[in-house]
Amino acid sequence: DTAVSQTPKYLVTQMGNDKSIKCEQNLGHDTMYWYKQDSKKFLKIMFSYNNKELIINETVPNRFSPKSPDKAHLNLHINSLELGDSAVYFCASSQVVNSGGSNNEQFFGPGTRLTVL
Amino acid sequence: AQKITQTQPGMFVQEKEAVTLDCTYDTSDQSYGLFWYKQPSSGEMIFLIYQGSYDEQNATEGRYSLNFQKARKSANLVISASQLGDSAMYFCAMREGGNYGQNFVFGPGTRLSVLP
Repeated sequence: DTAVSQTPKYLVTQMGNDKSIKCEQNLGHDTMYWYKQDSKKFLKIMFSYNNKELIINETVPNRFSPKSPDKAHLNLHINSLELGDSAVYFCASSQVVNSGGSNNEQFFGPGTRLTVL
Repeated sequence: AQKITQTQPGMFVQEKEAVTLDCTYDTSDQSYGLFWYKQPSSGEMIFLIYQGSYDEQNATEGRYSLNFQKARKSANLVISASQLGDSAMYFCAMREGGNYGQNFVFGPGTRLSVLP
């Protein structure tokens, strides 16, 4: 009954390769996110999708491309991997609200630890 | 400019004592939400507590309470009766009202260590 699942949990790959991380949520939420957590534990939002539409696209290299086939899935494709891409990537989801004042906490997946050699 | 500031990179507390983790935020929105998450060494992100900008009372969830001081733009987390299992990273986060209210920003985190 996992709410937000990510695969794979660990990903070790060589520089220059292309890889994908999959994310699925079964909570019926409208919005999904990708975060990157660096070695200092700093969490930074990369993308946000609402009903398959891109809402937030922070300053992320265009080697990173999110793809949302439906509102329950948001996959992350990374081309030409670099050493600096090594991090933990979290997928999350939340329900959309019309104002910032309502509680719609994000539910996080378990994270994918990406190591680029 | 940092939207969420957590000035304590690391904190120690004795088991069974209370501890306060600081969080200050910066926003010009009237409508926003404040969240605290816990990340144990196993890595998962666990939601702890939420405070809405219009909520007049401080939020409480079991041993967690949020000391919300709107005028000072602070949202400190208070953990009462600390337990060894509370040792973890704690993140303060804010959701602002733009983009359907979906713009989440996280602070740099505070590493809490509970001593036996």
